[in-house]
Amino acid sequence: LAKTTQPISMDSYEGQEVNITCSHNNIATNDYITWYQQFPSQGPRFIIQGYKTKVTNEVASLFIPADRKSSTLSLPRVSLSDTAVYYCLVGDIGGGTSYGKLTFGQGTILTVHP
Amino acid sequence: KAGVTQTPRYLIKTRGQQVTLSCSPISGHRSVSWYQQTPGQGLQFLFEYFSETQRNKGNFPGRFSGRQFSNSRSEMNVSTLELGDSALYLCASSLERGGTEAFFGQGTRLTVV
Repeated sequence: LAKTTQPISMDSYEGQEVNITCSHNNIATNDYITWYQQFPSQGPRFIIQGYKTKVTNEVASLFIPADRKSSTLSLPRVSLSDTAVYYCLVGDIGGGTSYGKLTFGQGTILTVHP
Repeated sequence: KAGVTQTPRYLIKTRGQQVTLSCSPISGHRSVSWYQQTPGQGLQFLFEYFSETQRNKGNFPGRFSGRQFSNSRSEMNVSTLELGDSALYLCASSLERGGTEAFFGQGTRLTVV
């Protein structure tokens, strides 16, 4: 399974754009990149998933360069409620030893200040 | 539609006891996975069930077990509880196996005293 590396913590202010980068140098051909958000004492919540280039949904964008060895989660105009832990996961969506299993790293603690 | 439901939300047990936690997945979801979350170890995969069979297992001792019923509801059991088993236990459901969009419940906070 590809190992991921993210910053331990980040600080931002309301209204700013936040970019969280994740390194995954050993990503395999079949691996997808998925980001989850977790608030204290709650289960993680799926944010976005991608394979290459750029993916955008109503809450975030995911940028993946051509070599796929890193990815960047972009949160536009954050608010206080975006304060949470953000996890980058890399895994085989279709099979293999990661089948049915999500491997979480330490995540990035994002703190949004007023 | 209803999300993933875990019961109970909070539990206090004594060392040596055993405990059973329950998870009801989203209607139609057939894959149920369990995770343990502690401040020291983070989120760790316990096991995954699909069609009433355990398909994948993490690195936990045999004291941790689970099962899945025909309606996809799942239970996990921990026997001979230890202080280190105190954690937030999370259940996640997916429509099928392998899809990494998993939907998590709010978890069961287990405290072993």
